[in-house]
Amino acid sequence: GNSVTQMEGPVTLSEEAFLTINCTYTATGYPSLFWYVQYPGEGLQLLLKATKADDKGSNKGFEATYRKETTSFHLEKGSVQVSDSAVYFCALSDPFYNQGGKLIFGQGTELSVKP
Amino acid sequence: SQTIHQWPATLVQPVGSPLSLECTVEGTSNPNLYWYRQAAGRGLQLLFYSVGIGQISSEVPQNLSASRPQDRQFILSSKKLLLSDSGFYLCAWSVMTGTQYFGPGTRLLVL
Repeated sequence: GNSVTQMEGPVTLSEEAFLTINCTYTATGYPSLFWYVQYPGEGLQLLLKATKADDKGSNKGFEATYRKETTSFHLEKGSVQVSDSAVYFCALSDPFYNQGGKLIFGQGTELSVKP
Repeated sequence: SQTIHQWPATLVQPVGSPLSLECTVEGTSNPNLYWYRQAAGRGLQLLFYSVGIGQISSEVPQNLSASRPQDRQFILSSKKLLLSDSGFYLCAWSVMTGTQYFGPGTRLLVL
């Protein structure tokens, strides 16, 4: 079946450090891939997405590249800020088994950025 | 533009009491609608989804139920709350692109 695996958190970084949050997936079809961000006490917001292999999604300085050969969609940012502290979720939508447009989420990775 | 509303924002209920959480979407037609629960502030559990009025699919057996009385209205209910029903409840909508858009959530505490 389809699944998403994210690196364990929490991740603690100093301001301006480089960020990588690993995400790998298993899917039977050709999924679309997403990163969502959840700030404390809020709902999830779409951060970026990619719909086919080698696509790069980017937003607010974050990037992720859809790597079909390694089944990965790692999130990166060159210089994090305190305001990036949040929980980050990787997710996939597999049209082959897409019943009702469901997303499969990873378990989330908490990021804490210290000044 | 599309917006999604959830209410109430926070709810404290005694064990055994009923529950009704409401979600409405504006600015789109015939969306797919979803209810998630997030416990311990992290993982998301899909509870129900709906592809149309009156069409509800349940993902996890539990004492909760969902209804979709109108195209852009999705309601989560319970006849008798359990302590384990405490959590953060999120509603989301999508169309065929697969991207889901989430509401602000309802924090439920069952005492």
